[in-house]
Amino acid sequence: EAQVTQNPRYLITVTGKKLTVTCSQNMNHEYMSWYRQDPGLGLRQIYYSMNVEVTDKGDVPEGYKVSRKEKRNFPLILESPSPNQTSLYFCASSLSPGLALQNEQFFGPGTRLTVL
Amino acid sequence: QKEVEQNSGPLSVPEGAIASLNCTYSDRGSQSFFWYRQYSGKSPELIMSIYSNGDKEDGRFTAQLNKASQYVSLLIRDSQPSDSATYLCAVNTFGSSASKIIFGSGTRLSIRP
Repeated sequence: EAQVTQNPRYLITVTGKKLTVTCSQNMNHEYMSWYRQDPGLGLRQIYYSMNVEVTDKGDVPEGYKVSRKEKRNFPLILESPSPNQTSLYFCASSLSPGLALQNEQFFGPGTRLTVL
Repeated sequence: QKEVEQNSGPLSVPEGAIASLNCTYSDRGSQSFFWYRQYSGKSPELIMSIYSNGDKEDGRFTAQLNKASQYVSLLIRDSQPSDSATYLCAVNTFGSSASKIIFGSGTRLSIRP
């Protein structure tokens, strides 16, 4: 089954304790992206990756890191989480980031993170 | 001005009626347009995509695009209680080397029996 998976689905942690949220897709998609969703603010892009070893900042990158060592995986790293990073996080992927018109994004199930 | 704007709602529509959801965007270079449905606490699910001016129909859903007016809409015919959700408009702009998808903040739709 074609899908985007994220782990963990739920996480409660404390300020300053490094954590990683994994994201994996099995559709051979080039483009992967991380979003956070907060009430009233919609989906905001954190980081995205056009392909292996190519990553770039989105709209709200502060406090986050990513890596893209393999095409299928795109982990999100919070080196020192803070309470303002409490949010619902989504990973997404799409076939091609380039000039193709059909660039629908497929979303993972989400990770609800609480930082105390 | 937000890049993609939607009325936050809630939009209340009686069961069986037509629900009309609207979205405007600011970048005239935008080429791809998407509607996602999101149930509370769940991930967005793509329901329609449209790339050229006019209407595109898929079952009870019709997407309408007017690039001159920078306007995209979603019509849901014969609304059902299961259509109650937040609908996100997304716009894909292609720059010189990268594309960027921007989401609106969503319209909450409620179908009343």
